[in-house]
Amino acid sequence: AQSVTQPDIHITVSEGASLELRCNYSYGATPYLFWYVQSPGQGLQLLLKYFSGDTLVQGIKGFEAEFKRSQSSFNLRKPSVHWSDAAEYFCAVGAWGGSYIPTFGRGTSLIVHP
Amino acid sequence: DARVTQTPRHKVTEMGQEVTMRCQPILGHNTVFWYRQTMMQGLELLAYFRNRAPLDDSGMPKDRFSAEMPDATLATLKIQPSEPRDSAVYFCASATDETTEAFFGQGTRLTVV
Repeated sequence: AQSVTQPDIHITVSEGASLELRCNYSYGATPYLFWYVQSPGQGLQLLLKYFSGDTLVQGIKGFEAEFKRSQSSFNLRKPSVHWSDAAEYFCAVGAWGGSYIPTFGRGTSLIVHP
Repeated sequence: DARVTQTPRHKVTEMGQEVTMRCQPILGHNTVFWYRQTMMQGLELLAYFRNRAPLDDSGMPKDRFSAEMPDATLATLKIQPSEPRDSAVYFCASATDETTEAFFGQGTRLTVV
């Protein structure tokens, strides 16, 4: 069965600093990987996804993620964080079951200091 | 602007009462997921449907939870009887084979007292 580990429960950065959120996955086949963001009281919004091809994926809001098969990782990065990026971030691996069924990590809460 | 619509957004109910949560998937999406989010367990998949047929509901407590899709525009999740441990945010999401990612609604925050 697939699983996702996000080792950091909370991450605190200063506004303008760079950000990297870690994600490790376990899946027996080629993984389909996603990063979602959840603002307080809201649903989950897709930031980016990886299915195949270029291992560096660009997403919305200036985020990118790099798929590293050898490390089973799909870390999310942003070069300069804005206060509005404060939110909960979820990594997910999708297993094909007629559609892509996302299994989520526990999430990383991003705190941004002014 | 196509989106997944969930109702109600908030629900407070007494233990033992029946709770029904509704979801309108994005028009044309043939796959619907139900997730439950709690602090302790994170996001758990409860059930999912494809072309209105339930494909997997192994994540759902069978004795009190039930999920249905009466038609392509409505999915329901019922809890009967409800218990305090059911307090959580319940998310519906929809997808198609072409979109590949799930689009989430804003959730129903359920509090059982």
